[in-house]
Amino acid sequence: NAGVTQTPKFQVLKTGQSMTLQCAQDMNHEYMSWYRQDPGMGLRLIHYSVGAGITDQGEVPNGYNVSRSTTEDFPLRLLSAAPSQTSVYFCASSSGTGFFQPQHFGDGTRLSIL
Amino acid sequence: AQKITQTQPGMFVQEKEAVTLDCTYDTSDPSYGLFWYKQPSSGEMIFLIYQGSYDQQNATEGRYSLNFQKARKSANLVISASQLGDSAMYFCAMRDPRGGGGNKLTFGTGTQLKVEL
Repeated sequence: NAGVTQTPKFQVLKTGQSMTLQCAQDMNHEYMSWYRQDPGMGLRLIHYSVGAGITDQGEVPNGYNVSRSTTEDFPLRLLSAAPSQTSVYFCASSSGTGFFQPQHFGDGTRLSIL
Repeated sequence: AQKITQTQPGMFVQEKEAVTLDCTYDTSDPSYGLFWYKQPSSGEMIFLIYQGSYDQQNATEGRYSLNFQKARKSANLVISASQLGDSAMYFCAMRDPRGGGGNKLTFGTGTQLKVEL
């Protein structure tokens, strides 16, 4: 009963490094998204995908890249890490665009950029 | 643009008592969905309850109920018989039909609930 799995759980990077945050879901959900959570703020949408091969930007996409080659996986890439990207990152999935469908979240990745 | 407002940064409640967490929203769309999520100190986001804009009755899920007042644009979460395990951050969120492929969630800033003995 895995649901949404994110790896790693913690990561420390140096400014300028790149890395990929992994997200996988086993519920055959069409919709997947990435959010970031900063202190004193709610979650903000970075990128999303409505199906394999289809991605689009959310409200805070700068500095991040995504791809969706399979239904199950939706990795988030930091191209050149900056201290402003220090945050907790959540991946979420849901089964469609119906309003009643809750989004299921992974446990988060806590990322620190030095 | 949609907006969610949670005006209570922190709340305290005695164990076994009921508590209401406030949430007001702003949208021009006639169709929308409202969600509450719980985030314990361990960090995961746990879905609690959903209310649709056309639902005639207030949503309930066990000890959680949603006091939905459409005219006032409020969707308050009521937790009955509070338990120590209810201590957590609670987020109100709205599904934006026009953003994120129809699945974007707009979140409030959260309310930190502390249940005391």
